[in-house]
Amino acid sequence: DQQVKQNSPSLSVQEGRISILNCDYTNSMFDYFLWYKKYPAEGPTFLISISSIKDKNEDGRFTVFLNKSAKHLSLHIVPSQPGDSAVYFCAASANSGYALNFGKGTSLLVTP
Amino acid sequence: DAGVTQSPTHLIKTRGQQVTLRCSPKSGHDTVSWYQQALGQGPQFIFQYYEEEERQRGNFPDRFSGHQFPNYSSELNVNALLLGDSALYLCASNTADTQYFGPGTRLTVL
Repeated sequence: DQQVKQNSPSLSVQEGRISILNCDYTNSMFDYFLWYKKYPAEGPTFLISISSIKDKNEDGRFTVFLNKSAKHLSLHIVPSQPGDSAVYFCAASANSGYALNFGKGTSLLVTP
Repeated sequence: DAGVTQSPTHLIKTRGQQVTLRCSPKSGHDTVSWYQQALGQGPQFIFQYYEEEERQRGNFPDRFSGHQFPNYSSELNVNALLLGDSALYLCASNTADTQYFGPGTRLTVL
């Protein structure tokens, strides 16, 4: 039973434009959310996180938005760069620091 | 500051064999988690160790077991390997909210 869903397997964006990656979850007990980036043959790299007491968190070019009523979060990358091309995973936890539940990932391609 | 390290990088085993994977956490981290990532899927939580005890376990059979040592390093053991155990095994460590991942061990079962 997939509790975290990333419904877009892939996304293509032009360099300099905004990339928006979406994630939905079903478990209302989730209270901590993270985004990871993964290159082939490497482990996931932590990007940004947000707790359920916030609705927005920003770190440089990356912003995560959380809509608890809709059980939806999104990652915005502005401006997108070719080096951002990777698979992005959304993850959620019912207790921060404990088990992470991951989506299947969205493959982002940023073209020059 | 060394991040999370895992060994070996790659491993090939045959059905029925046993395997041990190793993980050293990031400096200062006392909690280690293990995940299995099959091709085209997101990582699936296997279990988490804290203070040398299994603190939380995912939906994996008893063939999957682990250990955490006093220096916080950890091992993942898988017995009676099946073809379906072929995957990337990821170790993550944390001391607070955020888990940081190692590069993984690619296990192939023939």
